Amino acid sequence: ETGVTQTPRHLVMGMTNKKSLKCEQHLGHNAMYWYKQSAKKPLELMFVYSLEERVENNSVPSRFSPECPNSSHLFLHLHTLQPEDSALYLCASSQGLNPSYEQYFGPGTRLTVT
Amino acid sequence: EDKVVQSPLSLVVHEGDTVTLNCSYEVTNFRSLLWYKQEKKAPTFLFMLTSSGIEKKSGRLSSILDKKELFSILNITATQTGDSAVYLCAVALTQGGSEKLVFGKGTKLTVNP
Repeated sequence: ETGVTQTPRHLVMGMTNKKSLKCEQHLGHNAMYWYKQSAKKPLELMFVYSLEERVENNSVPSRFSPECPNSSHLFLHLHTLQPEDSALYLCASSQGLNPSYEQYFGPGTRLTVT
Repeated sequence: EDKVVQSPLSLVVHEGDTVTLNCSYEVTNFRSLLWYKQEKKAPTFLFMLTSSGIEKKSGRLSSILDKKELFSILNITATQTGDSAVYLCAVALTQGGSEKLVFGKGTKLTVNP
């Protein structure tokens, strides 16, 4: 058990749907992250939150909208996605933004956009 | 339960030393093993290994997978201070028709001048 949970574990949605991915961490961490893992491509950082404030947005299209209501929960709201958005979406948390703090990853949500 | 174990958890060396980082795993439906270097917030991809016994090299870094003994090693020769980072090992596997990534806790490497 990593202490970071993600739901749903897999999701199939059409391009006109609206859905949300949820991440919850039980580790008392202050920083949370969304990553995208596409097939045979390196892990891509999407968003970083520290103490519920967004500190980084790596040029992610506006059809992905993050929300961090508190330090334990992170959401990724999805709207009018494209088939190329199909990927594994990973959530992670760490004690803080200092790079010496290791990141703990959730199991991921496998997203398929049809 | 799927698990990935890295050792050592931390390592301090001097510039010029050679280091070997270890990653062992116990998973079902193994697909591939990946190594990442985490310096700042985002891990950067190093290698993806799918076949046993075939060494992958990139400059001073190399890695090999042993699917019989269920482990991989990451070697760094002639270390430099810029190699200081957390090195993450992850195993990709299929579960219930979907893909899952299981990460180890990482090895924190510190290279002193």
